[in-house]
Amino acid sequence: DIQMTQSPSSLSASVGDRVTITCRASQSIARYLSWYQQKPGKAPKLLIYAASSLQSGVPSRFSGSGSGTDFTFTISSLQPEDFASYYCQQSSSLPYTFGQGTRLEIK
Amino acid sequence: QVQLQESGPGLVKPSETLSLTCTVSGGSMRDYHWNWIRQPPGKGLEWIGYIYYSGSPSYNPSLKSRVTMSLATSKNQFSLKLTSVTAADTAVYYCARLIAMAGTADWFDSWGQGILVTVSS
Repeated sequence: DIQMTQSPSSLSASVGDRVTITCRASQSIARYLSWYQQKPGKAPKLLIYAASSLQSGVPSRFSGSGSGTDFTFTISSLQPEDFASYYCQQSSSLPYTFGQGTRLEIK
Repeated sequence: QVQLQESGPGLVKPSETLSLTCTVSGGSMRDYHWNWIRQPPGKGLEWIGYIYYSGSPSYNPSLKSRVTMSLATSKNQFSLKLTSVTAADTAVYYCARLIAMAGTADWFDSWGQGILVTVSS
């Protein structure tokens, strides 16, 4: 299985901050990476697919980049509704695997 | 816009079989892969497997010996059976639609709200 490692595991930030989360794959996955947001008690929500493509309806303050084994997810200016957990997911090979998650908290 | 809804028992006894159904509304099941994903309380996400609309399944090797997925397109439903459950199978179970396009990433674009299944006697 391809292991996905996110860092940091948790992060404290303020409204208006720029935040970056990284995701590293245990082997090259080209651009076969997606990012999800999950709020407590809710299902994950797709934000980014194919490493950098923004899902329809998702605000442009969210962005993704990277290829191969190293990827980044950025929120350019944190909004109150962005405090949540974020997961990366690879689809280069089965089984699909997720990162362990990054919990974004209010400072 | 497609919507998914999980249903089934919220409590299953150890060694018994967990059975869940996902009902799809607002769209066709054709041409998509239909997935089950679970999340133990306070933990991360684990892909269980998918079944293609034609009926071909693929399961996570870690669960393959205990998992069966099936499709009922006439009812717009797909189902999960997980046998010989233990407390480690306690989790929120989500059904989700996968977008799979040749030459690019696959992604889960629509999810059910999730159903908590507790394994306990």
